[in-house]
Amino acid sequence: DGGITQSPKYLFRKEGQNVTLSCEQNLNHDAMYWYRQDPGQGLRLIYYSQIVNDFQKGDIAEGYSVSREKKESFPLTVTSAQKNPTAFYLCASSQIRTDTDTQYFGPGTRLTVL
Amino acid sequence: GQNIDQPTEMTATEGAIVQINCTYQTSGFNGLFWYQQHAGEAPTFLSYNVLDGLEEKGRFSSFLSRSKGYSYLLLKELQMKDSASYLCAVLDSNYQLIWGAGTKLIIKP
Repeated sequence: DGGITQSPKYLFRKEGQNVTLSCEQNLNHDAMYWYRQDPGQGLRLIYYSQIVNDFQKGDIAEGYSVSREKKESFPLTVTSAQKNPTAFYLCASSQIRTDTDTQYFGPGTRLTVL
Repeated sequence: GQNIDQPTEMTATEGAIVQINCTYQTSGFNGLFWYQQHAGEAPTFLSYNVLDGLEEKGRFSSFLSRSKGYSYLLLKELQMKDSASYLCAVLDSNYQLIWGAGTKLIIKP
C-alpha cells in the first residue's frame, strides 16, 4: 500500500530537548511538507522540499530544522529554540509543488513538551 | 494579508443537508481545496475547484465563485461518520496552500 507514515503518533519530551519527527512516503512524490496544527488555527507551513537535498522555509520555520537526503524521507527536528513546541505535526507530500497537485497527509505526530 | 474565513462550528441532523461556507482573500488564486479531518487524524482530500461552478462527487458537492472569493461545501444525506472538521485551503500565486481554521461539523441523530 502506498502512503505516508509518521512516527511516533504521540511523543513526549522535556523542555530544552531536541526531538526529531519522522516522515516517510512511498508514493514517489517529489514534494514534501511539514505543517503544524494548533487548536482554532489553520495549518501553518514550517518547511517544504521540492527535491532531494533542497528545502525552503515556510511561514514558521524558526526553531525547526529539516533534511531531505532521500526522496522518501523528510524528518523534522524541533529544537529547544522553538518556544511553543507542543502541537500536532502533519507531514504531507505531493507529486510536484509548482502545480495544482493534491497534497496527501500522514497520520500526524502529537508532540507534548513537559 | 491573506485570509481564509470559515464558521468555527456547525450542527446538523442525520439525514439532512448542510452547507459549509468559505470566503478568502489571497494573493493570487490557483484553486481551492476542501479536506475532511476527523479528530486526531490526518486531513483527507475531498475536492478541488479552480473554475467557477459546482463540482459534484457523490454526497459531497463543492461550489466556487472566484469573483466573490467564495466557496461552499455541500453535504447531503448526512451520516454520523460525517462528524469531522472541514478545512478550506486556497493555493496562492506562489503555489502555497493557505489554510482556514476549519469548521467542526457535529451531526446529531
